[in-house]
Amino acid sequence: GAVVSQHPSRVICKSGTSVKIECRSLDFQATTMFWYRQFPKQSLMLMATSNEGSKATYEQGVEKDKFLINHASLTLSTLTVTSAHPEDSSFYICSASGTGKGNTEAFFGQGTRLTVV
Amino acid sequence: RKEVEQDPGPFNVPEGATVAFNCTYSNSASQSFFWYRQDCRKEPKLLMSVYSSGNEDGRFTAQLNRASQYISLLIRDSKLSDSATYLCVVNEYGNKLVFGAGTILRVKS
Repeated sequence: GAVVSQHPSRVICKSGTSVKIECRSLDFQATTMFWYRQFPKQSLMLMATSNEGSKATYEQGVEKDKFLINHASLTLSTLTVTSAHPEDSSFYICSASGTGKGNTEAFFGQGTRLTVV
Repeated sequence: RKEVEQDPGPFNVPEGATVAFNCTYSNSASQSFFWYRQDCRKEPKLLMSVYSSGNEDGRFTAQLNRASQYISLLIRDSKLSDSATYLCVVNEYGNKLVFGAGTILRVKS
């Protein structure tokens, strides 16, 4: 399958700071990227959908000013958690789909475990 | 009502057992369907797509009933390595995936 690389895999930050998570499609052009969040013992919940070159579409209840998404190129999307609080601690996962290998299914990054202390 | 519903389990089965998971979805316009597997603290990995005609991949058989909006996964001859959370996933459109909460499987020797 196609390769999606997510970085960092784990981050611990202080409350009030910002954290940037990167999601890269390594061998296909990702026209669409999805960002999910998963709390312990719960399912993945879609936070937002980003299309290359346009503003992200956020799901209901997700604050767009707190979770900044940038999808400036066909291989890279970033999620920035601004002014992080302990309740933002979660597992964040991106998935990408697009042309070529990514055309028929969405491929997931390895996930980022964020802990805010 | 949740968009994708699954029995959370856990299903505790001995090695070699056959186990079946069920899933229902609410959006009748959903386009495609999948079973993903998620190991603890890891990203989900695609196990198999699900087709209306039913499909099989080794020990795994998936079924889809569009009329009933029902999806199933059957695992035969369970292995210890099958222990994981199985996610029923529905593609509503454009690879926007909606996940069920997952069913936990524990296979014991």
